[in-house]
Amino acid sequence: NAGVTQTPKFRILKIGQSMTLQCTQDMNHNYMYWYRQDPGMGLKLIYYSVGAGITDKGEVPNGYNVSRSTTEDFPLRLELAAPSQTSVYFCASNQNTEAFFGQGTRLTVV
Amino acid sequence: EDKVVQSPLSLVVHEGDTVTLNCSYEVTNFRSLLWYKQEKKAPTFLFMLTSSGIEKKSGRLSSILDKKELFSILNITATQTGDSAVYLCALDNYGQNFVFGPGTRLSVLP
Repeated sequence: NAGVTQTPKFRILKIGQSMTLQCTQDMNHNYMYWYRQDPGMGLKLIYYSVGAGITDKGEVPNGYNVSRSTTEDFPLRLELAAPSQTSVYFCASNQNTEAFFGQGTRLTVV
Repeated sequence: EDKVVQSPLSLVVHEGDTVTLNCSYEVTNFRSLLWYKQEKKAPTFLFMLTSSGIEKKSGRLSSILDKKELFSILNITATQTGDSAVYLCALDNYGQNFVFGPGTRLSVLP
């Protein structure tokens, strides 16, 4: 059972570079989320989606974009990386139960 | 604004001790309260609580929700070094979001 798969696991970006964090789930969940977790802090919601074609901003959306063209995939795009985006990013999905998390992407912007 | 508060933020105990972790919230309408254990990677699911006063139990861990007083507790008896982790409390806001608390960092010393 794959569950929620995130890639890459680690990445170092230079300031101003762009990248896409990939997230895919094979559980046919409608709800998907992107969180960031800074050291010693809880998870903060960046964007979420309640189904294919529908996305909405969470608590900390600035500097990010998402798309949801299929039920399975929910990529997160950073257009102009900034040091403040150094964090661990988690993708999650849910269907009226607990949230299932990917293994996380540790991103460092230098 | 929905808010989840956890206490203590950090706790150090010795093996065999019993610990109680607290989660209080200021969300009036939610589907469930969830507890997660986070070691080095993604949060792993422990409990989902939907009804007040009904204890959920799994081995040495147990949890209960009090909707009247707006809190939940997670108990761990006979702690082991493998229980060392960050314990996260979250509220399921009907799929729109999971509102996470900051977590309690538990360290169990041999």
